[in-house]
Amino acid sequence: DTGVSQDPRHKITKRGQNVTFRCDPISEHNRLYWYRQTLGQGPEFLTYFQNEAQLEKSRLLSDRFSAERPKGSFSTLEIQRTEQGDSAMYLCASSLARTGELFFGEGSRLTVL
Amino acid sequence: AQSVTQLGSHVSVSEGALVLLRCNYSSSVPPYLFWYVQYPNQGLQLLLKYTTGATLVKGINGFEAEFKKSETSFHLTKPSAHMSDAAEYFCAVRSNTGTASKLTFGTGTRLQVTL
Repeated sequence: DTGVSQDPRHKITKRGQNVTFRCDPISEHNRLYWYRQTLGQGPEFLTYFQNEAQLEKSRLLSDRFSAERPKGSFSTLEIQRTEQGDSAMYLCASSLARTGELFFGEGSRLTVL
Repeated sequence: AQSVTQLGSHVSVSEGALVLLRCNYSSSVPPYLFWYVQYPNQGLQLLLKYTTGATLVKGINGFEAEFKKSETSFHLTKPSAHMSDAAEYFCAVRSNTGTASKLTFGTGTRLQVTL
């Protein structure tokens, strides 16, 4: 069990650029979640997948954000035309549907200048 | 909709003292409740969880929490704090019905442990 891995761990970009984060969940986990965490706040739900199906999206996920999990394994979160307000830690988690216990990765920290 | 309130954004205790971190929840259905810990620049690690059954749950690193339905609380305790317990702690609630699988987190409590 190698845990949930995220890449890159840190990303600094200029406003208006696109960024993509990747998440590799624990191999047997069929559910995958994306959360966003800003300084001094708890993680906020963005979206989740069961296998390759995106089952729920938060209203926080504007149309500049898109998430995919094409083969039900790894997932990507893309942010287009980044804004300074997008600066945050983006956390990925995975779980087995029957237990619901989330295992988190170490996160991808985005800084938009 | 579910929500969580963590009272006290910062808690400071002396090493060896009791740790008490407060969490109150709001849920229209019987909740699943979780405590996670986060060390600087790291992801969240599960400390313990309550789903059904025994209301006193024990977790890792000597932590435990008690589910009190009448008080809608799920406070986290540890009898004796250690320097390594200094971290951010998050309480979370999850609905156990329907397709609502996401966790809703509180704003966190930063625990400081002093000598």
